[in-house]
Amino acid sequence: NAGVTQTPKFRVLKTGQSMTLLCAQDMNHEYMYWYRQDPGMGLRLIHYSVGEGTTAKGEVPDGYNVSRLKKQNFLLGLESAAPSQTSVYFCASSTSGFTEAFFGQGTRLTVV
Amino acid sequence: AQSVTQLDSQVPVFEEAPVELRCNYSSSVSVYLFWYVQYPNQGLQLLLKYLSGSTLVKGINGFEAEFNKSQTSFHLRKPSVHISDTAEYFCAVSVTGGFKTIFGAGTRLFVKA
Repeated sequence: NAGVTQTPKFRVLKTGQSMTLLCAQDMNHEYMYWYRQDPGMGLRLIHYSVGEGTTAKGEVPDGYNVSRLKKQNFLLGLESAAPSQTSVYFCASSTSGFTEAFFGQGTRLTVV
Repeated sequence: AQSVTQLDSQVPVFEEAPVELRCNYSSSVSVYLFWYVQYPNQGLQLLLKYLSGSTLVKGINGFEAEFNKSQTSFHLRKPSVHISDTAEYFCAVSVTGGFKTIFGAGTRLFVKA
């Protein structure tokens, strides 16, 4: 049972480039989340989804877009990467908005 | 809206000593509370959770936490730490019917030999 899988694990982008981070879960969870983790700031919610075909903005959505075309996948896109988006990105899933979240291993993104 | 404050950013402690990591929350409605642990270069994993019932919650690896509604706190404790407990610990809160969980800034626990 893989749980939550994120790809890629590492990526270096140049300023202005675009990329997509993929999150896949095999637990049939309705809710999925994208967080970014920066030193001293904990986890901040970027976007989330409460079911297939739905998305909503979190605390820090600017510069990111998401899509949830299939229940098991949640994609995070950076349209034009900026150095301020250098961070570790975590995907998580849960059965509801107030139950335990299961996390992926993270994607370390560096924008130069 | 709910919020979480972890009162210590770093906690150094010697091996086999007790430790307490402090967490305070604010919410106008009933809450669910969680502690997650993150080992270096890994994702977060659940340590323990409070949903309802007994205010003393036991988790994995010998950790426990106590929900104190009057003080709006959910402090994490372990009576005797090991080197392997070195990690970052996150307190988190969600509310009934809510859509998301809010995380604190994290407390980095250093266990020294």
